[in-house]
Amino acid sequence: SQTIHQWPATLVQPVGSPLSLECTVEGTSNPNLYWYRQAAGRGLQLLFYSVGIGQISSEVPQNLSASRPQDRQFILSSKKLLLSDSGFYLCAWGGWGRGGANVLTFGAGSRLTVL
Amino acid sequence: RKEVEQDPGPFNVPEGATVAFNCTYSNSASQSFFWYRQDCRKEPKLLMSVYSSGNEDGRFTAQLNRASQYISLLIRDSKLSDSATYLCVVNLKGEGSASKIIFGSGTRLSIRP
Repeated sequence: SQTIHQWPATLVQPVGSPLSLECTVEGTSNPNLYWYRQAAGRGLQLLFYSVGIGQISSEVPQNLSASRPQDRQFILSSKKLLLSDSGFYLCAWGGWGRGGANVLTFGAGSRLTVL
Repeated sequence: RKEVEQDPGPFNVPEGATVAFNCTYSNSASQSFFWYRQDCRKEPKLLMSVYSSGNEDGRFTAQLNRASQYISLLIRDSKLSDSATYLCVVNLKGEGSASKIIFGSGTRLSIRP
């Protein structure tokens, strides 16, 4: 069966510091992968998605970037964090539901606080 | 205008009540539709898919009206364990085989004993 791992689970970072969040998927090949951010009390904002190695679609032009160095690895990065980057970051892989629709399975999330 | 809009609630209803949530989407090219459930401080999980013909899963019924770009979720005989945030989700055509998957901001439901 497929599993998705995300780490770290929690982190506190100062403004201006770099960020690296990692996500890996097991039990499937060539998955569609997604990064979302959820600010406190808000909905999920799509940040990036990827259909394969080195292929990244960016939805939000911010100080974040994503990379996919391996088929089942998806990394979210920032060179300099802002206070507004605080939130709950969720990685997901898109499996196939009825009619070929992408159905998401999420990792447990990474809770980032920027001080 | 947001791509997916939901009433944020909270809806506070007694156990055993029937509760209905609505959602509207702006892009007529939207391809598929879902409801996810998110418990406090947890990741969202798929609740059910939504079709024009309707979809029923136990106490839950979801319906899609493409003409009105409107999605609904009905929960009958609500249980304490139904307390959560319900997220309306729309899939748009993305790059390659991927969908661009857009979430509403969620409707919070609280069931009281």
